[in-house]
Amino acid sequence: DSGVTQTPKHLITATGQRVTLRCSPRSGDLSVYWYQQSLDQGLQFLIQYYNGEERAKGNILERFSAQQFPDLHSELNLSSLELGDSALYFCASSVIPGYEQYFGPGTRLTVT
Amino acid sequence: GENVEQHPSTLSVQEGDSAVIKCTYSDSASNYFPWYKQELGKRPQLIIDIRSNVGEKKDQRIAVTLNKTAKHFSLHITETQPEDSAVYFCAAYSGAGSYQLTFGKGTKLSVIP
Repeated sequence: DSGVTQTPKHLITATGQRVTLRCSPRSGDLSVYWYQQSLDQGLQFLIQYYNGEERAKGNILERFSAQQFPDLHSELNLSSLELGDSALYFCASSVIPGYEQYFGPGTRLTVT
Repeated sequence: GENVEQHPSTLSVQEGDSAVIKCTYSDSASNYFPWYKQELGKRPQLIIDIRSNVGEKKDQRIAVTLNKTAKHFSLHITETQPEDSAVYFCAAYSGAGSYQLTFGKGTKLSVIP
């Protein structure tokens, strides 16, 4: 157990819908990262937050957004869902940017 | 941005043999190189990492070597066991101040009993 928690574990929804994925970092970690893992794309970096502020953006679609709250938990919002958004979404955290990242158990999203 | 290439994509070894996975990176400013092990349907688990001021690091049966000049780093697993079977990912932090981790595409390691 890495100490990073994610909810829900599984999510099944229809095309066009909107979902919110939640992540709580390890105690003491200030930086949160979101990744998407699909079969043919490997682990793709989406976005990073540090102490409530966005620090880096990867290949994140405009339909996706995220935020980190004052208590340091983070939410990833996915809207206008498409079949191709079906994937495992991982959250990771580190003490500060540039240090070891520890991954949560992931949320498996299935869009039907 | 950073580009990380990983080879081979699949690797089969006999139990007890050694396994080596190699990665190259493009950003000469990158300074941190972790390796993750991922079992099917589970989270990537950090198994070892190395920073650019060190050439080699070892933890029991696992070692990582770094060649900054050639911009490549390798994972070495000795005395492989069936429980080592998993997908292994290398990664590199971009040195551009954003500390974005770029991952290789993974190596599926199968250890045959």
